[in-house]
Amino acid sequence: KAGVTQTPRYLIKTRGQQVTLSCSPISGHRSVSWYQQTPGQGLQFLFEYFSETQRNKGNFPGRFSGRQFSNSRSEMNVSTLELGDSALYLCASSLDSMYQPQHFGDGTRLSIL
Amino acid sequence: QKEVEQDPGPLSVPEGAIVSLNCTYSNSAFQYFMWYRQYSRKGPELLMYTYSSGNKEDGRFTAQVDKSSKYISLFIRDSQPSDSATYLCAMNGGSNYKLTFGKGTLLTVNP
Repeated sequence: KAGVTQTPRYLIKTRGQQVTLSCSPISGHRSVSWYQQTPGQGLQFLFEYFSETQRNKGNFPGRFSGRQFSNSRSEMNVSTLELGDSALYLCASSLDSMYQPQHFGDGTRLSIL
Repeated sequence: QKEVEQDPGPLSVPEGAIVSLNCTYSNSAFQYFMWYRQYSRKGPELLMYTYSSGNKEDGRFTAQVDKSSKYISLFIRDSQPSDSATYLCAMNGGSNYKLTFGKGTLLTVNP
């Protein structure tokens, strides 16, 4: 069974640009969550999507947004990039709920110059 | 006080040693407890998932949860160099839907 797939693996952008990251969950999983991982803050929750709707949201500014498609694939968008957005962005999927086991992809490493 | 506290290490042990990794937490609503292993340049890999208090064993790994003390542990028996990684505890429950992670413990198993 294929795991969670994230693309691209690496991205380099400059301040002010925007970026879109993609996540394909494990087949049959309908809940997709996004996390930001940095050395200083560790793993922090961004948001969760289920049935094409944002169900839960963390404490990130509105520049961070996402969406989910009917096949459960999800995208995350960050607009007006700042230097502090440099991080590893991780996607996790679970069957139906965030209380079930969440399985992570290998992430997208975003570097802002 | 942070919701989840985890000693960052680093922890260095010889091959074959028993490793004990621990986290403490403050939110009594947490009910679901997980341990993840993260290799460099990879995403977290789910090792153990437990609900409420008790023990769970899977091969060389044993997870323990003591809700009365708000303390969880992961034991690794017969540790191998391939176990060298960062180990993250994570938990959620009640109205706390998001996984709250510890900062991770860096483990090195020396041949």
